[in-house]
Amino acid sequence: SQQGEEDPQALSIQEGENATMNCSYKTSINNLQWYRQNSGRGLVHLILIRSNEREKHSGRLRVTLDTSKKSSSLLITASRAADTASYFCATDDTDKLIFGTGTRLQVFP
Amino acid sequence: DGGITQSPKYLFRKEGQNVTLSCEQNLNHDAMYWYRQDPGQGLRLIYYSQIVNDFQKGDIAEGYSVSREKKESFPLTVTSAQKNPTAFYLCASSNSWEKLFFGSGTQLSVL
Repeated sequence: SQQGEEDPQALSIQEGENATMNCSYKTSINNLQWYRQNSGRGLVHLILIRSNEREKHSGRLRVTLDTSKKSSSLLITASRAADTASYFCATDDTDKLIFGTGTRLQVFP
Repeated sequence: DGGITQSPKYLFRKEGQNVTLSCEQNLNHDAMYWYRQDPGQGLRLIYYSQIVNDFQKGDIAEGYSVSREKKESFPLTVTSAQKNPTAFYLCASSNSWEKLFFGSGTQLSVL
């Protein structure tokens, strides 16, 4: 079962622009996490937001969480070519983590 | 140098053959996981283990088997019963649900 669905599936922007990707999920959660995956590599944890938080920042990343709409967004500001990757949201489900389908971000120099 | 190591990076399976993917971690994590990723898709959970000598099926366990005899190791065997094994396999470990550490993956292909 896949808990999260990311939107859009793919996103192309120019360096310096902001990138926003969204995640929707189905059941109640304790926290929501975002991960990044470079092509052909493993995933790297970016940020976690708890169910009682509405917004969190880490460097150029800004995450929001709306538990009433069961949705989260990840904003990457002032994007760089090195931000090109796939981004996944993940939610806790009892004793395991369920990942969404991902957003493929392409940042052109 | 702490981390989680998967090997081999590329693996080829012949018809009817079982193959084993290795996953080793030196992060002293209790929990370990195996995920499967198909092209352009998210991750699907195959098996996970929260403690040595114990493991649970994930969403797509059919055709796979695992063992957890040591805390550091969680090998995955893709058996001949798995009819569509071509995928990217990712191993991860953690001490909590708040952050998973991933290996660099194994690409399995069928000859």
